[in-house]
Amino acid sequence: DSGVTQTPKHLITATGQRVTLRCSPRSGDLSVYWYQQSLDQGLQFLIHYYNGEERAKGNILERFSAQQFPDLHSELNLSSLELGDSALYFCASSRGGGTEAFFGQGTRLTVV
Amino acid sequence: SQELEQSPQSLIVQEGKNLTINCTSSKTLYGLYWYKQKYGEGLIFLMMLQKGGEEKSHEKITAKLDEKKQQSSLHITASQPSHAGIYLCGAESGTYKYIFGTGTRLKVLA
Repeated sequence: DSGVTQTPKHLITATGQRVTLRCSPRSGDLSVYWYQQSLDQGLQFLIHYYNGEERAKGNILERFSAQQFPDLHSELNLSSLELGDSALYFCASSRGGGTEAFFGQGTRLTVV
Repeated sequence: SQELEQSPQSLIVQEGKNLTINCTSSKTLYGLYWYKQKYGEGLIFLMMLQKGGEEKSHEKITAKLDEKKQQSSLHITASQPSHAGIYLCGAESGTYKYIFGTGTRLKVLA
């Protein structure tokens, strides 16, 4: 158990809908990272938050947004969903720069 | 932007054989991380390397960062079916991004 909790584990939704994925980092970790993993794209970095502030953006679509709350949990919002958004979404947390990140078990999103 | 390339992309070995996975960075590495992922599950942290020439071992897995800090290798000795999975190298880019290589899929035949 990495200490990082992601909910829900599975999500099936229709095209055009909006979903929210939740991540609770390990106790004491200030950084939260979000990733998308699909078969043909590998593990793609989406966004990094540190202590409530956005630190870096990767290949995150405008339809996607994230935030980190004062209690350090984070949410990834995906809207106007398309079939191509079906993937595993992971969050990871770390103490900060120069330290290893620990991953949650992921949320498997299926858009039908 | 920094990129990590892994080789080989996939590997099938007989149980008991040794194997090596490589990770090459397009820029100098300031921290290199190795992870293992079982299919459809989360990534498990294996090791972190920070200094040029550094080598670390955990059970039968050894990782090394070269002196120039642009390449790392992961070596598994006497492979077992439990070693099967996807191995990914990760690194922090200079802009707070935590990026990963393309992954190496390892299958160990019993």
